[in-house]
Amino acid sequence: AQSVTQPDIHITVSEGASLELRCNYSYGATPYLFWYVQSPGQGLQLLLKYFSGDTLVQGIKGFEAEFKRSQSSFNLRKPSVHWSDAAEYFCAVGARTNAGKSTFGDGTTLTVKP
Amino acid sequence: DVKVTQSSRYLVKRTGEKVFLECVQDMDHENMFWYRQDPGLGLRLIYFSYDVKMKEKGDIPEGYSVSREKKERFSLILESASTNQTSMYLCASSLGQGTPGNEQFFGPGTRLTVL
Repeated sequence: AQSVTQPDIHITVSEGASLELRCNYSYGATPYLFWYVQSPGQGLQLLLKYFSGDTLVQGIKGFEAEFKRSQSSFNLRKPSVHWSDAAEYFCAVGARTNAGKSTFGDGTTLTVKP
Repeated sequence: DVKVTQSSRYLVKRTGEKVFLECVQDMDHENMFWYRQDPGLGLRLIYFSYDVKMKEKGDIPEGYSVSREKKERFSLILESASTNQTSMYLCASSLGQGTPGNEQFFGPGTRLTVL
């Protein structure tokens, strides 16, 4: 069975500082990997995804993530955080043979200090 | 853009009531999902549908049922609401199996309170 771990429940960074959110997955083969963002009171929105090819993936809002097979990780990064990035972030893993289902991590809440 | 809409943003019901949560997507997606979201527990899959009239239990189906009579509509039913079903409910849709990297598109959520 696939699983996702987001080790950090809550992260606080200063505006303009760099950000890295951690995600580790468990899956026997090459998975589909996703990062979603949820603003307060809203549904989830896709930031970026990996399913093949280049292991460094660019997404919306200046985010990127790197798939590292050897570490079973898919960490999300942003070089300079803006106050509007404050939200909850979810990493998800999808099996290639699982009819479109994904397993989500528990989420990391990002607070941005002025 | 894909749009997923949910019938209510906020809902208050009483214990024992039958509750219907409706979800509609406008992009002809094969897959539709119902999740509940609780603090510290992330998203937990309740039910999944991969085609009209087809459904599959998720991780926490107890106390819930679903209906998919039309491709664009997926309903979640709480047969007899209980206070432990107070939660945020999220609907999502995606393209079918065989589409590489098929991400899910989410509705805005329904916050259900059962008194």
